[in-house]
Amino acid sequence: GNSVTQMEGPVTLSEEAFLTINCTYTATGYPSLFWYVQYPGEGLQLLLKATKADDKGSNKGFEATYRKETTSFHLEKGSVQVSDSAVYFCALSKNTDKLIFGTGTRLQVFP
Amino acid sequence: EAQVTQNPRYLITVTGKKLTVTCSQNMNHEYMSWYRQDPGLGLRQIYYSMNVEVTDKGDVPEGYKVSRKEKRNFPLILESPSPNQTSLYFCASSLQGYTEAFFGQGTRLTVV
Repeated sequence: GNSVTQMEGPVTLSEEAFLTINCTYTATGYPSLFWYVQYPGEGLQLLLKATKADDKGSNKGFEATYRKETTSFHLEKGSVQVSDSAVYFCALSKNTDKLIFGTGTRLQVFP
Repeated sequence: EAQVTQNPRYLITVTGKKLTVTCSQNMNHEYMSWYRQDPGLGLRQIYYSMNVEVTDKGDVPEGYKVSRKEKRNFPLILESPSPNQTSLYFCASSLQGYTEAFFGQGTRLTVV
């Protein structure tokens, strides 16, 4: 079946460091891919998405490229801020199926 | 403002005492769902609804009930809560099940 695998957290970085959170997926065909972010005490909100191979989603300085050949959708940011501290979820959907989430990766950014 | 509203935000209850967590959305979305979030397990879908009067089980439906009598509301019912239902619960809505989901702020439930 369809699934999403994310790197274990927490990821701990100093402010202005480069961020990568790995996400790989298993699915037939061409799913849509998403990154959601959950700030402390809040619900999840969509950060970015990509709907076809080689698409790059971007928002708030974050980017992720849909790589069909490696079945990956890694999240990157060039310079993190303390305010980026949150839990990040990778997710996929395909055709009429529901969203399938990874287990989440906690990011902690220290000044 | 487009939003999904859950109530209550926090709830402590005793084993066996029936409770309802309400969820309402103002985006005219067809699809609504309930998730629970547990450490190390991510988000697991409890129940979903593709439209009014249409509901179906998700991945972890045991011990829960839902109803969808109106498009905007999708309450989660625990008829006889047990300690293993202590968790953080989220309601979400979307145009379709596979499109961008909008989440409520969550309900932290503790069953003692």
